[in-house]
Amino acid sequence: AQSVTQLGSHVSVSEGALVLLRCNYSSSVPPYLFWYVQYPNQGLQLLLKYTSAATLVKGINGFEAEFKKSETSFHLTKPSAHMSDAAEYFCAVRGNTGFQKLVFGTGTRLLVSP
Amino acid sequence: DAMVIQNPRYQVTQFGKPVTLSCSQTLNHNVMYWYQQKSSQAPKLLFHYYDKDFNNEADTPDNFQSRRPNTSFCFLDIRSPGLGDAAMYLCATSRDKGTGSYEQYFGPGTRLTVT
Repeated sequence: AQSVTQLGSHVSVSEGALVLLRCNYSSSVPPYLFWYVQYPNQGLQLLLKYTSAATLVKGINGFEAEFKKSETSFHLTKPSAHMSDAAEYFCAVRGNTGFQKLVFGTGTRLLVSP
Repeated sequence: DAMVIQNPRYQVTQFGKPVTLSCSQTLNHNVMYWYQQKSSQAPKLLFHYYDKDFNNEADTPDNFQSRRPNTSFCFLDIRSPGLGDAAMYLCATSRDKGTGSYEQYFGPGTRLTVT
């Protein structure tokens, strides 16, 4: 069974600083991995996804993530934080054979200070 | 734009009074999901429809039911809401046919308050 662990329930950065949100996965086979963002009182929006085509994945709003099989990680980064990036971020994993449900991490709240 | 729509965005109901939340989609996706999300938690899957087949999660209370009359619409019925059912309810869809990464597309959610 797949699972993901997000280290840090809260991450605080200053505007303009590097954003790094950590996600480690557990899967017996290469999985599909996703990062979603959720703004207050909104649904989840897909930021990016890994589907084995390329290990460095670029998403929307300047975010990217790198799949590292040796470290079983899929950390989310952005070079320069903006105030509008303040939100909850969820990492999720899905098996790549047949129909499988998404398994979410517990989420990381990103706080951006001026 | 193709999208997932949820109505209403905010719903207030009384303890024990049945309530229905609705979801529609213009993506023509074959899978529809209902999630419950409580404050500062990850979404919790309640059930999903794969085409017309209903799939309940093992820990979803019987108080929660769902209907999918056609591809585009899906409803969540809470037969007797309790105070613990106050949450954000998220509808999502995915296309799950053949190959692909099957990402889920989420609606904006319905915030349910139980008084």
